[in-house]
Amino acid sequence: ETGVTQSPTHLIKTRGQQVTLRCSSQSGHNTVSWYQQALGQGPQFIFQYYREEENGRGNFPPRFSGLQFPNYSSELNVNALELDDSALYLCASSLAGGRSDTEAFFGQGTRLTVV
Amino acid sequence: AQSVAQPEDQVNVAEGNPLTVKCTYSVSGNPYLFWYVQYPNRGLQFLLKYITGDNLVKGSYGFEAEFNKSQTSFHLKKPSALVSDSALYFCAVRGPFSGGYNKLIFGAGTRLAVHP
Repeated sequence: ETGVTQSPTHLIKTRGQQVTLRCSSQSGHNTVSWYQQALGQGPQFIFQYYREEENGRGNFPPRFSGLQFPNYSSELNVNALELDDSALYLCASSLAGGRSDTEAFFGQGTRLTVV
Repeated sequence: AQSVAQPEDQVNVAEGNPLTVKCTYSVSGNPYLFWYVQYPNRGLQFLLKYITGDNLVKGSYGFEAEFNKSQTSFHLKKPSALVSDSALYFCAVRGPFSGGYNKLIFGAGTRLAVHP
């Protein structure tokens, strides 16, 4: 098991609602990335936070937003939920340091169902 | 554009036989390549990586992968499959590609089924 924990593990929301997902990164890691994994697909990069700043974003609309806290834990917020937002949301932590970046370690994911 | 292809949706192999899960990539520059495994209702578990050096990389649970630059491939292999290896396997390539940050680009995944 990795030291990355996500909460909650499952939740069900109604279309139009807002949701917040949480991630505690592995001890010593300073970078958190979020991925969306739709059913039957590979994970898609949403965004990355490094030292509390967003430093990269994938092809996701602005209603997907995030935060990273001083202890390097992170939140993913999704506003105005749509049915297509139903997916497994994965958090990954790593230690960034130029060419010595470590591999990413993933949490168990949050399964979001939008009805 | 950077991409990863896993040409097989599913690979079936008998227990005890060798297994290969294929991966090809398209990326400019030197790639950082990874394999992850996903068990049902779980996150991704890191198996192995290629950054530089020896083209044959050894990882967790007896898995290994061979980097072939000329064929732009990074196939996952194991000499003797176990039923417990049955899972979903993802190949990924990591940047930085643009913007100076690292992200993983994943293939669509290959389901490995090992039969007793």
